[in-house]
Amino acid sequence: GAGVSQSPSNKVTEKGKDVELRCDPISGHTALYWYRQSLGQGLEFLIYFQGNSAPDKSGLPSDRFSAERTGGSVSTLTIQRTQQEDSAVYLCASSLKVDQPQHFGDGTRLSIL
Amino acid sequence: GDSVTQMEGPVTLSEEACLTINCTYTATGYPSLFWYVQYPGEGLQLLLKATKADDKGSNKGFEATYRKETTSFHLEKGSVQVSDSAVYFCALSDTDSGGGADGLTFGKGTLLIIQP
Repeated sequence: GAGVSQSPSNKVTEKGKDVELRCDPISGHTALYWYRQSLGQGLEFLIYFQGNSAPDKSGLPSDRFSAERTGGSVSTLTIQRTQQEDSAVYLCASSLKVDQPQHFGDGTRLSIL
Repeated sequence: GDSVTQMEGPVTLSEEACLTINCTYTATGYPSLFWYVQYPGEGLQLLLKATKADDKGSNKGFEATYRKETTSFHLEKGSVQVSDSAVYFCALSDTDSGGGADGLTFGKGTLLIIQP
């Protein structure tokens, strides 16, 4: 479809493993955002890309989290040495440019055993 | 820092009842304000927005007015339907319109249940 696509939709993994989450934004959208939705914290903003550049990475919860975007399109969020507190739904959004409304994907539900 | 506070749910109403979900905010600048909705099993969707004081956003029979004097953006609908059952999130952005480098700041969400 024409919306923001995220994969996988569900991921279950053991504590200590690395995971990679993928976001495919709407074609032509230059801005891309990652959020985390958890029961205790609600919706938290993690990081934003304008093109391939992320001006501010301070919203990432720890240094185990990293994100990149290549070709101004697909983005990956990587969590190394996962912990149980990383369990959450990770949402990606994109917008045509930074001053336009964001369109969200369905999210990746991450469960750490 | 910025924050959004919305009424806790669940809010349970009968079909055709009148709805108000309260939302207040604190922000350092002049934010844009949004309501997002998450239907069961679906992703977040933008419901309506307002970018400056006294603006009224509206969509699908829902309305919200940007009140700078009370720092509020309450969501209202005159007659709710079963299909309106969902989680509603109030959000703000400190840059114009959409999100900007700091992303959106969300409230914790309000679960709305409409009974036939």
